[in-house]
Formats: sequence, structure tokens, C-alpha cells
Amino acid sequence: NAGVTQTPKFQVLKTGQSMTLQCAQDMNHEYMSWYRQDPGMGLRLIHYSVGAGITDQGEVPNGYNVSRLKKQNFLLGLESAAPSQTSVYFCASSPMRAGEVVNEQFFGPGTRLTVL
Amino acid sequence: GQNIDQPTEMTATEGAIVQINCTYQTSGFNGLFWYQQHAGEAPTFLSYNVLDGLEEKGRFSSFLSRSKGYSYLLLKELQMKDSASYLCAVLDSNYQLIWGAGTKLIIKP
Repeated sequence: NAGVTQTPKFQVLKTGQSMTLQCAQDMNHEYMSWYRQDPGMGLRLIHYSVGAGITDQGEVPNGYNVSRLKKQNFLLGLESAAPSQTSVYFCASSPMRAGEVVNEQFFGPGTRLTVL
Repeated sequence: GQNIDQPTEMTATEGAIVQINCTYQTSGFNGLFWYQQHAGEAPTFLSYNVLDGLEEKGRFSSFLSRSKGYSYLLLKELQMKDSASYLCAVLDSNYQLIWGAGTKLIIKP
């Protein structure tokens, strides 16, 4: 039982490049989310999903897109990377009860992204 | 707007007790979480409070007062491995988690 896994662990991009961050969970959780964490700030929600094929925007969605074709995978895309997107990115998953997220979230190990 | 306030940094001594406070102003309330995050690692769940009062779990306890928009995390018998950041997060009326910036706890021998 691997929990939540993320690839890659580290990535350096040049401004304007694109890439996809991958997240997988083997706990059969309905809810998955992508956060970014910057120094001195709380975790900020980028996008989230309550099931395969269903995604929605969080607090800071601009510059990112997501895809959830299968329940266990949630992908985060950067179409044209900018230095402001230098951050640590965490994927998280959670079971849902009665359609609402009320339980603890399980986090992946994070992806450390630097955009030059 | 929505706001979660926590002290930026605290220092305590090994074996002692420390209380980390969290105050919140959110649009609705559906529970408060505490997470622990060691440097360079992912946050891990510590506690969840939705009703007023104290929840005890081993050396860690979490308290909630909804009327005051206040919670604290109490850590007893501090160990060096407790050096970490402690994150407070509130589930708002839309069931979205609003996160505080975290409190970095430094434990000294």
C-alpha cells in the first residue's frame, strides 16, 4: 500500500516550458487535490477533483490545468511555466462521506519545482 | 475574507509542554484540523475537532472553541522529534480547507 505517490520529486524548468506533475493513490479515495506551498504562506489549493472526470478550481488555478481520467490518478499541468510558479507542489487525497470532504487528507511527498 | 492566524515560530525545551494557538475567521465552519510537517516532508494528520472541547491523543491534545474562533494544540513531554511545523486548517462552509501558514516549533535539549 504505497498511499499517495508523486513524480517527479524535483524539476527545473525554463520560463515558457511546459510539464505535467503526476499523482497516484491506491486508497480508492474519491477526493484528490493539488496544493502549492510557498515560504511564509499556508498551503493553497490549486485544483481539486471529487471523482474521475470531475475537476474544479481552487484558490489559485491560473496557469495550471488538471486531468483526472481515472479515479487513482490526478495530473497537474503547467502550460507555460513562469518563475512565480516556483514552489513545492503537494498532491493529497481523501475519502468522502455523504459527498463531502470531512476526513483527513493524505499527502504525497511533494514535487519541488524551480522555474528559471 | 478568510483568515487563519498562528504564531510563526516557537521554541521549547525537551521534556516540557508547549501550546500552539490558532485563531480563525472563516465563512462557516465544518471542523478544524491540525497537521504536522517535518522539514522537507509532507504534512501528516494529527487531529480533527468539530465540537467544542478537548480531544486527547497520547502526548498530543487539541482544543476547540467555536464561539471564540480559537483552537490550540498541546504537546506534552516534548521530544526532539517533535521539532516540525504545525499547520492549522479550517473546513469552511463550502467544505474547502483554509490553511494557516504554520508554526515552526524548535525543541532545544
